[in-house]
Amino acid sequence: KQEVTQIPAALSVPEGENLVLNCSFTDSAIYNLQWFRQDPGKGLTSLLLIQSSQREQTSGRLNASLDKSSGRSTLYIAASQPGDSATYLCAVIYANSGGGADGLTFGKGTHLIIQP
Amino acid sequence: AAGVIQSPRHLIKEKRETATLKCYPIPRHDTVYWYQQGPGQDPQFLISFYEKMQSDKGSIPDRFSAQQFSDYHSELNMSSLELGDSALYFCASSFGEGPSGNTIYFGEGSWLTVV
Repeated sequence: KQEVTQIPAALSVPEGENLVLNCSFTDSAIYNLQWFRQDPGKGLTSLLLIQSSQREQTSGRLNASLDKSSGRSTLYIAASQPGDSATYLCAVIYANSGGGADGLTFGKGTHLIIQP
Repeated sequence: AAGVIQSPRHLIKEKRETATLKCYPIPRHDTVYWYQQGPGQDPQFLISFYEKMQSDKGSIPDRFSAQQFSDYHSELNMSSLELGDSALYFCASSFGEGPSGNTIYFGEGSWLTVV
């Protein structure tokens, strides 16, 4: 079964620190990988999309990398702020045997708390 | 910028009743996805449509059906509701057929509570 795993499940750090969230996927046959942010009871906000042919994407204080061969992605958050507190979800679009896709497969997320 | 609009935002139904959720994608987006997120769970893919045709199917129960209309909005119909159907239902949209390289944008979700 194709899965997505995120480590750590929870993380609490003081404001200002740089941090890394990890995501791993079980099959290198992916179309793309997307990082989302979810606030409690809210929808999913797309942060970064990395195509399967790309190695990284950057947006502001966020940088995401992709290593298809090892099945890993990292989300780097620089100079963390209390407003960054949320659950961060990694999601992958796997290719299926029919040449299509089965929608996004999500990890269980990393619950991040930035202490003021 | 316009986002994905879902309605209703909250819905309470009794067991064995029927519920319908609506989704209005971002303008010019032609692909719609439905996801179900149970309490404390990650979102699970249900079904997707491209240009009003079903494109991919995930873990959607047979009691559920969905369609995409000519104006690209989509509806998820859920019948014979069970307690386990209580969840946050997300609609998402993107531009382009299939697993394209375009970002998928999510709505705020519709909370369904079955009592």
